[in-house]
Amino acid sequence: EAGVVQSPRYKIIEKKQPVAFWCNPISGHNTLYWYRQNLGQGPELLIRYENEEAVDDSQLPKDRFSAERLKGVDSTLKIQPAELGDSAVYLCASSSGTVTGELFFGEGSRLTVL
Amino acid sequence: AQRVTQPEKLLSVFKGAPVELKCNYSYSGSPELFWYVQYSRQRLQLLLRHISRESIKGFTADLNKGETSFHLKKPFAQEEDSAMYYCALRPQSGGSNYKLTFGKGTLLTVNP
Repeated sequence: EAGVVQSPRYKIIEKKQPVAFWCNPISGHNTLYWYRQNLGQGPELLIRYENEEAVDDSQLPKDRFSAERLKGVDSTLKIQPAELGDSAVYLCASSSGTVTGELFFGEGSRLTVL
Repeated sequence: AQRVTQPEKLLSVFKGAPVELKCNYSYSGSPELFWYVQYSRQRLQLLLRHISRESIKGFTADLNKGETSFHLKKPFAQEEDSAMYYCALRPQSGGSNYKLTFGKGTLLTVNP
C-alpha cells in the first residue's frame, strides 16, 4: 500500500504565479483533507471532502485558493496568484469516514514563494 | 471554537528518563483527543487516541476534563522516541465542526 501520494514534493515559484498540488488518497477512503502547515505550527485544515462534496471549506481563502475532487478520488489544490505568505507545507490526508478520527497523511508538498 | 495548546516547543530528556509532553485544550463541548507523531523523514501518523485508552510504544495519555489536559507520558524514554509530537482535538458530536484541530507541536529529543 503506497499510502497517500502527493506531488510535487517541492515547488519554488515567484509571487503572483499559479501553483497546483495533487493528491491521491488511499484506495477506498472517501474522506479527503487538505491541511496547510506553516513553519513552527501545527497543520491547519483548509478543506474537507466527503466523496466529491466539499463539506467544510470555511478556512479556505477563496479569493486565491480553489480545490476540486472530481469523481471523489484524486484531488487538486490550486493557488492563483501565490503570495509570499503562502509559503508552507501543504498536506493531504485521507480517512475511511470520520468515526475513528485517524487520518492518514501524505508526505506533503513544500511550497516556497519568492 | 476549539483550541489546542502545547506549551513546550522543545523537550530534551536522557534515555531511560520519564517524559511528559503537555497538552491543554479549550472546547465547550465534549472533545475527542489524539496524539499524532512525526518521526524524522516520515509522514505524520496517529500515535494514540483517548477513547481507545491504549498504550502505544509505551506511551499513555489520560484525558483530564477538570484540567482540560491530555498529557502524553512514558516512564522510560528511548532514543527512537525522538520526534515531533502533535496533540489534536475534534468535537465528539460531529457536524460542520467535525474537524481535527492541531497544536503547534513539541519536538522531543531523547539523548543517549
